[in-house]
Amino acid sequence: QKEVEQNSGPLSVPEGAIASLNCTYSDRGSQSFFWYRQYSGKSPELIMSIYSNGDKEDGRFTAQLNKASQYVSLLIRDSQPSDSATYLCAVNVMDSSYKLIFGSGTRLLVRP
Amino acid sequence: SQTIHQWPATLVQPVGSPLSLECTVEGTSNPNLYWYRQAAGRGLQLLFYSVGIGQISSEVPQNLSASRPQDRQFILSSKKLLLSDSGFYLCAWKFALQGLNTEAFFGQGTRLTVV
Repeated sequence: QKEVEQNSGPLSVPEGAIASLNCTYSDRGSQSFFWYRQYSGKSPELIMSIYSNGDKEDGRFTAQLNKASQYVSLLIRDSQPSDSATYLCAVNVMDSSYKLIFGSGTRLLVRP
Repeated sequence: SQTIHQWPATLVQPVGSPLSLECTVEGTSNPNLYWYRQAAGRGLQLLFYSVGIGQISSEVPQNLSASRPQDRQFILSSKKLLLSDSGFYLCAWKFALQGLNTEAFFGQGTRLTVV
């Protein structure tokens, strides 16, 4: 059973701080990794994708991937109250169906 | 550009009643299609996926079924709903490019409450 693990939180940070969200996965063959943001009652929206080891930056967001450790993280700099949401880590499973498996999500609360 | 439509947005159904949720994608051909369910406060559970018309794969045993009668149409059904079927149902699509691992795009979701 291929799995994606996340700490459910909530992770509480003050406004302006860096929020660090972590994710581990079990399928060593996985090649692509995604972070989605989900506001309460809404559908998930893609915020970052990463395919290679190292860091990928997009505005205030940085995704980090370490395939050897089967670990992917998301850093949110200068956190804003509007960043308060659940962040879902997703991993493509490398079989013929290219399934996208999600973690259970980490709830982030940014305190004003 | 591609868009995905999912309806209805909310649904309240009695136990034992049938269910039909529909999802359509516009602006692309032969997408991979997915149905996920999210229980309250939980992550997304993959229920079904389809890589082509009439091709359905089930991920978990349950009293739900899925069909893909047309290339860009995906339907989730049940003959008799259970209380445990309550949840947030999400349809998603991905580009079906062999060898490429692309992200999934979600519809707006259907909030199903079985009473």
